[in-house]
Amino acid sequence: SQQGEEDPQALSIQEGENATMNCSYKTSINNLQWYRQNSGRGLVHLILIRSNEREKHSGRLRVTLDTSKKSSSLLITASRAADTASYFCATARQGAQKLVFGQGTRLTINP
Amino acid sequence: GAGVSQSPSNKVTEKGKDVELRCDPISGHTALYWYRQRLGQGLEFLIYFQGNSAPDKSGLPSDRFSAERTGESVSTLTIQRTQQEDSAVYLCASAVVQANTGELFFGEGSRLTVL
Repeated sequence: SQQGEEDPQALSIQEGENATMNCSYKTSINNLQWYRQNSGRGLVHLILIRSNEREKHSGRLRVTLDTSKKSSSLLITASRAADTASYFCATARQGAQKLVFGQGTRLTINP
Repeated sequence: GAGVSQSPSNKVTEKGKDVELRCDPISGHTALYWYRQRLGQGLEFLIYFQGNSAPDKSGLPSDRFSAERTGESVSTLTIQRTQQEDSAVYLCASAVVQANTGELFFGEGSRLTVL
């Protein structure tokens, strides 16, 4: 089964609102990464948070990591129509290189 | 090139034919991944290459699937005797890997349609 699972599967909000997506995983990890995908093609890396970090910021993105709950959240503040995309979390087990992706959250920002 | 390049961009084939998909990673990237993504689904891991180490083939769904990589350069994913269930976007990604798993750089994918 997938290492990472995103929640919710789909999210629709108004432009300017904040969007929060969650990711749960099953084993100890080195780091957790979030990616964005437009139109079902290539993914773009957004942010990486290491297992010894609890929160990280990048522009309008904020990622948290709770290793005790094996979960992470991605917050996009002041959303824009251009943020409409699918968002995936990805993890690798400690000591492994294979990066496993979840099923993704489809985010729609309504103008 | 500046990014990961995949070809063909789109491929339509008939059931039972063989197909070959190509990936040119970013120069200097030692790691290369292949993933499969069915419509509306997540990414399914297929195979991972790291330098001259034996590849991790644990995600290949059947013996009809194989992949090769020469050194740290081009990789080809071959699907023999294609089935309709093989229809998907096949994504390649490369990375600079030192000690821990790092950021992946993805190509735009090869969309395979098996009729």
